[in-house]
Amino acid sequence: QSALTQPPSASGSPGQSVTISCTGTSSDVGGYNYVSWYQQHPGKAPKLMIYEVTKRPSGVSDRFSGCKSGNTASLTVSGLQAEDEADYYCSSYAGSNDWVFGGGTKLTVL
Amino acid sequence: QVQLVESGGGVVQPGGSLRLSCGASGFTFSRNGMHWVRQAPGKGLEWVTYIPYDGSNKYYADSVKGRFTISRDNSKNTLYLQMNSLKPEDTAVYYCTKDANWSFDHWGQGTLVTVSS
Repeated sequence: QSALTQPPSASGSPGQSVTISCTGTSSDVGGYNYVSWYQQHPGKAPKLMIYEVTKRPSGVSDRFSGCKSGNTASLTVSGLQAEDEADYYCSSYAGSNDWVFGGGTKLTVL
Repeated sequence: QVQLVESGGGVVQPGGSLRLSCGASGFTFSRNGMHWVRQAPGKGLEWVTYIPYDGSNKYYADSVKGRFTISRDNSKNTLYLQMNSLKPEDTAVYYCTKDANWSFDHWGQGTLVTVSS
């Protein structure tokens, strides 16, 4: 399985919105509604932010939202805050009990 | 609350072996599939292996197939990863993660494995 494609970096000013894309194929992102997103601060373990494309786990701010169109999923962070500065990874189920991650996007809050 | 605590990491020579453990608490371990995910220094996340709740099957990334073995002991609430024929490219932080809705909903703090002579 090839890694999903994410932009290496993204940025925005406090209060703005930023969207991070995650492009796969019809065998993973496009084939299943099982895309998830993870936030990772330096030196910390990743944290689940979005699952099943659009769903937020309990406790995750509603400033985080997800969507998907074809083979590309997206994570939008609205009302950017300093604490949102982190690495973000997408992941997709790829069938046959196989999972694939994106390369990660470093989000900078200017 | 869900807690996952990995142990067993360390420095090993190429070709060597290591066994990681992950102690689970705060949820019914025997009802959940579990994964190992790794992250090489300064790199992204890589899915490594998955085991269903009952250990009936095991699934691996191509990069570790034939060298790594995942297992679990539901009576001890513990997940394992036996790593053999280790290569320098296996150097990474290894995370134990709980499966939910085809995502990784809880993560341990990770344990560092360094393969070097």
